Amino acid sequence: GAGVSQTPSNKVTEKGKYVELRCDPISGHTALYWYRQSLGQGPEFLIYFQGTGAADDSGLPNDRFFAVRPEGSVSTLKIQRTERGDSAMYLCASGINDGYEQFFGPGTRLTVL
Amino acid sequence: QKEVEQDPGPLSVPEGAIVSLNCTYSNSAFQYFMWYRQYSRKGPELLMYTYSSGNKEDGRFTAQVDKSSKYISLFIRDSQPSDSATYLCAMSYSSASKIIFGSGTRLSIRP
Repeated sequence: GAGVSQTPSNKVTEKGKYVELRCDPISGHTALYWYRQSLGQGPEFLIYFQGTGAADDSGLPNDRFFAVRPEGSVSTLKIQRTERGDSAMYLCASGINDGYEQFFGPGTRLTVL
Repeated sequence: QKEVEQDPGPLSVPEGAIVSLNCTYSNSAFQYFMWYRQYSRKGPELLMYTYSSGNKEDGRFTAQVDKSSKYISLFIRDSQPSDSATYLCAMSYSSASKIIFGSGTRLSIRP
């Protein structure tokens, strides 16, 4: 079956611009997670949705980062006024309601020039 | 101090060798312990999972958790070139919650 998909696969933007990253979870998965992975590091948690609501947003680094999941499936991570330090791989994962396993997508590589 | 510490490597071993990968952690509240494998330019994929202390074996892979020492290990027997990847240890406090990852160990298996 189809796995988690993320678009775009690569995004290059200029400092100060706004970007949106999209995640399509596995059909039927109610849990959705966003992580950020810098080169040579493990993924770092950003936010977790259960259904439409954010169950845990403790990993969002500041108020320039925001994520939505209005219908409980597709999610969009939004970054305002991008900075060079935002450059990283942004990973999305989905899972079943109370399951431990998270299925990761291929990621979106964001480069801020 | 990071919650999860992992030697970044790189680690290079000949084909057929036994590989040992390890992580230590500081928070005794972790209940779920996992190993993810990540190939270059791909997302991580779950390799092994253990709840609480103990051992778990799956084919050539064995995961061990020692909660008293806050230490987890992954052993790979009869290593293959296709095992070359970055291995990430990972932990969570409960199911369906955020995962805390180690920094990953880059492993290369030489033919």
